[in-house]
Amino acid sequence: DQQVKQNSPSLSVQEGRISILNCDYTNSMFDYFLWYKKYPAEGPTFLISISSIKDKNEDGRFTVFLNKSAKHLSLHIVPSQPGDSAVYFCAASQGAGSYQLTFGKGTKLSVIP
Amino acid sequence: DTGVSQDPRHKITKRGQNVTFRCDPISEHNRLYWYRQTLGQGPEFLTYFQNEAQLEKSRLLSDRFSAERPKGSFSTLEIQRTEQGDSAMYLCASSEDRANTEAFFGQGTRLTVV
Repeated sequence: DQQVKQNSPSLSVQEGRISILNCDYTNSMFDYFLWYKKYPAEGPTFLISISSIKDKNEDGRFTVFLNKSAKHLSLHIVPSQPGDSAVYFCAASQGAGSYQLTFGKGTKLSVIP
Repeated sequence: DTGVSQDPRHKITKRGQNVTFRCDPISEHNRLYWYRQTLGQGPEFLTYFQNEAQLEKSRLLSDRFSAERPKGSFSTLEIQRTEQGDSAMYLCASSEDRANTEAFFGQGTRLTVV
């Protein structure tokens, strides 16, 4: 059973517009969430994270929103740039006591110039 | 420190052979993780070290897989009697020893079993 789901395999957005990537989770024990970006033939690069005690975290052009009641989080990128084109992975952990990350399958973002 | 380093970047081996991968974490990080990623999937957790102690192992880590971190610094992942299903990207990551912290990944080792 997949505990972290990214239901959109791909997303295309015009340069300058907002990109919204979505992620749902089923395990209510998850309390820390992360987004990673991955270019082909490279390892994932950490982008932004959010603790379950918050509902929003912002870092420059990147904002992550967490809706605990819906078990849903989203990553907003604004404005989108061609260099943002990559695969984005949502990941979750149970915090203290378990150190493994559970990843979704990823969403491939293409930003069109 | 330039980040997590993995060697080799690519490995092609014949079915039945043994392979060993190396990971050098960020020097001040006590925690080290191994993940595996196959095509169209996200990374899947394999195992975790706190210094030299292996504290968590996934059921994905069959008896043919063994990981070590002998001095709490670099780590090795060995796969014995490789099978075609072992073909994947093997990712190493490290993190600080505190709650709710991000893991930093290396560039991975791409294994192809022919």
